[in-house]
Amino acid sequence: GIQVEQSPPDLILQEGANSTLRCNFSDSVNNLQWFHQNPWGQLINLFYIPSGTKQNGRLSATTVATERYSLLYISSSQTTDSGVYFCASTRTGTASKLTFGTGTRLQVTL
Amino acid sequence: DAGVIQSPRHEVTEMGQEVTLRCKPISGHNSLFWYRQTMMRGLELLIYFNNNVPIDDSGMPEDRFSAKMPNASFSTLKIQPSEPRDSAVYFCASSIGDVDTQYFGPGTRLTVL
Repeated sequence: GIQVEQSPPDLILQEGANSTLRCNFSDSVNNLQWFHQNPWGQLINLFYIPSGTKQNGRLSATTVATERYSLLYISSSQTTDSGVYFCASTRTGTASKLTFGTGTRLQVTL
Repeated sequence: DAGVIQSPRHEVTEMGQEVTLRCKPISGHNSLFWYRQTMMRGLELLIYFNNNVPIDDSGMPEDRFSAKMPNASFSTLKIQPSEPRDSAVYFCASSIGDVDTQYFGPGTRLTVL
């Protein structure tokens, strides 16, 4: 199956700082999603982005499918951004079997 | 919309007992997914349905696990008999199409003693 690797595994930021999270995948994909799991365990979909760039408020994401990576940008971080960020993808031709990365654990401090 | 609804939110049971987890997807969504999250294995897909039909159950760990989707608004995941290693958070998710944004429910935290 497809391999999904995320970096860094852990990140500590001071409130107001910017950060970039990276997701590498081992094969061509037709489905790439970013999720945020908050400290209470809820998984929130941030972006469905198999290619191109999208922005939603302070968050934006870019996927370069030909080079097999995706980036999640967090600007002006807030304490509510804390949690684990997951990237998940599906190899082209394997329908909807999302494979999740191991996540980036983000802690935003005051 | 109420989002994906799961019940119960917490379940504590003893080894050997039957456990049934329930999920109501978002209305109008045609695909439904069951995931399991553990510290050791992370998030893994167990099974998914498209238009109430099981499409891929290769992630179901063993015969003790079974899933059904009798109609578009309800699915169950059953474990019989349960074992301590089944302890995990089980998530249900739904999407409009099978390659589309997935929306997760709040999860069921299962503890098997």
